[in-house]
Amino acid sequence: NAGVTQTPKFRVLKTGQSMTLLCAQDMNHEYMYWYRQDPGMGLRLIHYSVGEGTTAKGEVPDGYNVSRLKKQNFLLGLESAAPSQTSVYFCASSYGREGEQFFGPGTRLTVL
Amino acid sequence: DAKTTQPTSMDCAEGRAANLPCNHSTISGNEYVYWYRQIHSQGPQYIIHGLKNNETNEMASLIITEDRKSSTLILPHATLRDTAVYYCIVRGDSWGKLQFGAGTQVVVTP
Repeated sequence: NAGVTQTPKFRVLKTGQSMTLLCAQDMNHEYMYWYRQDPGMGLRLIHYSVGEGTTAKGEVPDGYNVSRLKKQNFLLGLESAAPSQTSVYFCASSYGREGEQFFGPGTRLTVL
Repeated sequence: DAKTTQPTSMDCAEGRAANLPCNHSTISGNEYVYWYRQIHSQGPQYIIHGLKNNETNEMASLIITEDRKSSTLILPHATLRDTAVYYCIVRGDSWGKLQFGAGTQVVVTP
């Protein structure tokens, strides 16, 4: 099993550009999450999903949109990137509400 | 979710036990204590979690005080690969959010 994979690994955007980050998991997990991590800080939850076709806002949802059209994929979109969105983005998944979350390797995004 | 307090950093000698403390004095009865670690910008890795009883797995042991206001993560035989930031997280809400703090930077030295 590949676990949780993220695409791309690195990306540089200019202010105002848009992009989509892809998260995929092959563990048949119901729950999926998008976090961001800024330098020297812990992770903060952006959006999450409790199943195919459902999404909800986390702590810092502004400027991001998400979609969960397939159970195994969770997409994070930036419609108009801003320098404040420069961060490392981590995707995670879990079988249920409790138990461990499995994290992907992260996407390093720089917005100039 | 209850707030946690951890030391900013700690050192540990290779081969010795590493004891990582965490205070969570406002923890509620239905909230679990989780531990994750993050090795040099990789994605966080689950270590262990517990509610009331002490827990042990192949990675670590979790000791929770009787009043549940604090806990200790024990890495029994620290190796250089255990150098990481360790996060103590208290979680009890219904949709699985993990609320990360700053964690403890653990450095294992030869």
